[in-house]
Amino acid sequence: GESVGLHLPTLSVQEGDNSIINCAYSNSASDYFIWYKQESGKGPQFIIDIRSNMDKRQGQRVTVLLNKTVKHLSLQIAATQPGDSAVYFCAGPGLVGSGNTGKLIFGQGTTLQVKP
Amino acid sequence: GAGVSQSPSNKVTEKGKDVELRCDPISGHTALYWYRQSLGQGLEFLIYFQGNSAPDKSGLPSDRFSAERTGGSVSTLTIQRTQQEDSAVYLCASSANGGPGTQYFGPGTRLLVL
Repeated sequence: GESVGLHLPTLSVQEGDNSIINCAYSNSASDYFIWYKQESGKGPQFIIDIRSNMDKRQGQRVTVLLNKTVKHLSLQIAATQPGDSAVYFCAGPGLVGSGNTGKLIFGQGTTLQVKP
Repeated sequence: GAGVSQSPSNKVTEKGKDVELRCDPISGHTALYWYRQSLGQGLEFLIYFQGNSAPDKSGLPSDRFSAERTGGSVSTLTIQRTQQEDSAVYLCASSANGGPGTQYFGPGTRLLVL
């Protein structure tokens, strides 16, 4: 079946540095991806999404890059702050063949630790 | 409301008991999703509602799990004869129309089965 996975379970960065969180997916038919941030004890919070007809999208301090050739996407956080400490999930749609209901397949998550 | 709400926030129950978890989606959102998150894991899809219908129940782990949605709004996830392996955070999300689109999550219900 399809999968969405992250490369590293934990990433530790210094405050002020840039962070890069990576994700790979298996379903080449996936037409969009979403990054979520989950703080301890809370539900996932939408950060940014990207459609498959794009290779880059920028938000406030965040950039998502999509490489469809190698089925890889990344989330870049500029000038990482202590408040960015959380678990980050990439997610993509389930099998399109059965009708795209919008259900999401989530990766296992990367824990971002920001050192002061 | 301003966001997705869930109740209770925490639930401790004994093995074999039934539990009901409630989700109030964002007003006007037609699509509603239930996910389960085990400790330190990603989210696992359970069921999808479009209005009051559930066209995708493929993620429900067993027949002890059921869900309903009434009035195109509130949804209840019921777990019968709970088992210890049911212990997890149960998350609800809603989106405007289903299909491709941002899902907004509630804070979750933390279920502990003793």
